[in-house]
Amino acid sequence: TQLLEQSPQFLSIQEGENLTVYCNSSSVFSSLQWYRQEPGEGPVLLVTVVTGGEVKKLKRLTFQFGDARKDSSLHITAAQPGDTGLYLCAGQVEKLTFGTGTRLTIIP
Amino acid sequence: NAGVTQTPKFRVLKTGQSMTLLCAQDMNHEYMYWYRQDPGMGLRLIHYSVGEGTTAKGEVPDGYNVSRLKKQNFLLGLESAAPSQTSVYFCASNLKPDFLSLNEQFFGPGTRLTVL
Repeated sequence: TQLLEQSPQFLSIQEGENLTVYCNSSSVFSSLQWYRQEPGEGPVLLVTVVTGGEVKKLKRLTFQFGDARKDSSLHITAAQPGDTGLYLCAGQVEKLTFGTGTRLTIIP
Repeated sequence: NAGVTQTPKFRVLKTGQSMTLLCAQDMNHEYMYWYRQDPGMGLRLIHYSVGEGTTAKGEVPDGYNVSRLKKQNFLLGLESAAPSQTSVYFCASNLKPDFLSLNEQFFGPGTRLTVL
């Protein structure tokens, strides 16, 4: 079983600040996805990264896949209250394995 | 186009009772999944199905059974509920994943189950 550890587990910051959350594993993945989940709803896909070292940007969110395809990071610039939610990474081998999650709260 | 729907949204059971959670998708997806979500543990795969009439065990299958009699429906059963099965259950579906596909999973809104 591939294990995906996310850090930090909880993060609470002021609106306008920058932040980075991490997703780490000892396993190599063929691709890695990031999902965001809001209270009372299911996760929704934000991005998929496939190539080692790949960087994708989604407005103020920047996603990077590690060179060895074992880890990933999500950087948010100028965080806004709408960014509040649970962020989940998920690594793909045969099946998708989800990380432990980072619960992000942006304080207005 | 409703996407993935789950029934019921909430349920409280007593230890030893049984129940069935229903998942339905209208996207003609081949693959369907049942996950449970517990604090600090992310989503853990219970069972999944790669097509009508097929089922397979995931990471935490004990205490659960599933059936996929129709392509659009995936049922999760608890024969004798235990307090350890208190959790939020999510159903998901996707097209047949392959090396080149984005393999996005589409999730339902979840069922919050409490076992007393």
